[in-house]
Amino acid sequence: DAGVTQSPTHLIKTRGQQVTLRCSPKSGHDTVSWYQQALGQGPQFIFQYYEEEERQRGNFPDRFSGHQFPNYSSELNVNALLLGDSALYLCASSVRVQEKLFFGSGTQLSVL
Amino acid sequence: AQSVTQPDIHITVSEGASLELRCNYSYGATPYLFWYVQSPGQGLQLLLKYFSGDTLVQGIKGFEAEFKRSQSSFNLRKPSVHWSDAAEYFCAVGAIEGGSYIPTFGRGTSLIVHP
Repeated sequence: DAGVTQSPTHLIKTRGQQVTLRCSPKSGHDTVSWYQQALGQGPQFIFQYYEEEERQRGNFPDRFSGHQFPNYSSELNVNALLLGDSALYLCASSVRVQEKLFFGSGTQLSVL
Repeated sequence: AQSVTQPDIHITVSEGASLELRCNYSYGATPYLFWYVQSPGQGLQLLLKYFSGDTLVQGIKGFEAEFKRSQSSFNLRKPSVHWSDAAEYFCAVGAIEGGSYIPTFGRGTSLIVHP
């Protein structure tokens, strides 16, 4: 049983570019949450998707957007990249309204 | 708003020594409380969680945590540390709000284990 998978594992972009990160949830899970983890910090909640809709959103600008597909996989899009967007982006999946989250290994994004 | 404080950025222990990582939280009611571990380049793995019942919670890898309501604390302990325990440890607090569960994480404590 595959856990949460994220792609790519590493990514290098330049300021102003756009990036798309992908996440496949654990089998049987229907809810996907995205987190940003800056160096030396804990994960910060970006948003959560369930039934292909954004259900909750953290304190992140509109440059951060997402999507959930019918197979429950999800994408995180970031437009107009800033140097400060450099971070590890983590995807977590769960069964709806359950507190047990399963995390992927993350995508390390570097913005130059 | 809920918040988590992990006052120790780094903790260094010798292999075989006991360990205690501190966590204080702020939340209006009794929340879910968690400890996660993150090895370099990896995602977070759940060590243990607490919501109600016995205030001493057992987790994986020999870890335990004790919930103390009066101190708003949820400290993580292990009686004998192994070199493989070296990692980043995160305390988190969360509750179900608006039909969703969104945890808030502390900034983490880095555990260094000396041989």
